[in-house]
Amino acid sequence: DAKTTQPPSMDCAEGRAANLPCNHSTISGNEYVYWYRQIHSQGPQYIIHGLKNNETNEMASLIITEDRKSSTLILPHATLRDTAVYYCIVFSQGGSEKLVFGKGTKLTVNP
Amino acid sequence: DAGITQSPRHKVTETGTPVTLRCHQTENHRYMYWYRQDPGHGLRLIHYSYGVKDTDKGEVSDGYSVSRSKTEDFLLTLESATSSQTSVYFCAIRTGGDETQYFGPGTRLLVL
Repeated sequence: DAKTTQPPSMDCAEGRAANLPCNHSTISGNEYVYWYRQIHSQGPQYIIHGLKNNETNEMASLIITEDRKSSTLILPHATLRDTAVYYCIVFSQGGSEKLVFGKGTKLTVNP
Repeated sequence: DAGITQSPRHKVTETGTPVTLRCHQTENHRYMYWYRQDPGHGLRLIHYSYGVKDTDKGEVSDGYSVSRSKTEDFLLTLESATSSQTSVYFCAIRTGGDETQYFGPGTRLLVL
C-alpha cells in the first residue's frame, strides 16, 4: 500500500502557482520523497525528489516540512500542459526495489 | 527520457498465444523494471533486473517471465497470454547516482 495521502483532485488557473500537498506521516529517516506525474496514457515522468531539505529544479520546487511528515510540490507557473496525475512516493534508496504509486492527485489547469 | 524505448507500442493478440515485449536502454543502467498499469490498481511491479542474467520477481509475476542477456535489453514474455493480462506495460530504469527511476513510453497490450 502507498505510504502517502494526497487529495484526489485539484484545480489551478493557468499562469498561477499550483501547490500540491502530500502527507507521509510514517516516513522513516532514510526514505526520500519523490514526485512523478503522468499525463494521460504516457509513462510516469520524474519531477523531483528530496530527503529533508527543500529542492528546486527546472520543473518544480519541493518543500518538505521540518518533521518530514508532509511535503508540497510547487509548479510556479502552471500551464495547460501541466494537467496530469501527480504522484507523491516515499522510497528508500538502496532498499526497496519498487516504487509504490498511490492514486495521486489529478491536477487540472484551467485557461 | 533516459534513452528508454519500448516495442511494440501497441499489440493485439489472442488468448493462449505467446507475447514478448522489449525494453531497450542506451545508457547502460544496471537496474531495469517491468510494471503494469490497470485502472484502480496503479502501477504494479512484475519483474526487475539488477544486472545481466540477474532478475527477480515483483508483486504480480505470475504468468510472466523475463530475460536479460545484455545490459541494454530487458524482455518481458507472456508465455500464454490471458485476457487478464490486457494492460499497459511500462519499463523503467534506475540511475546509479540518485537511484531515480525513469519510465519508458509504455506498451498497450490487448488480449482477446
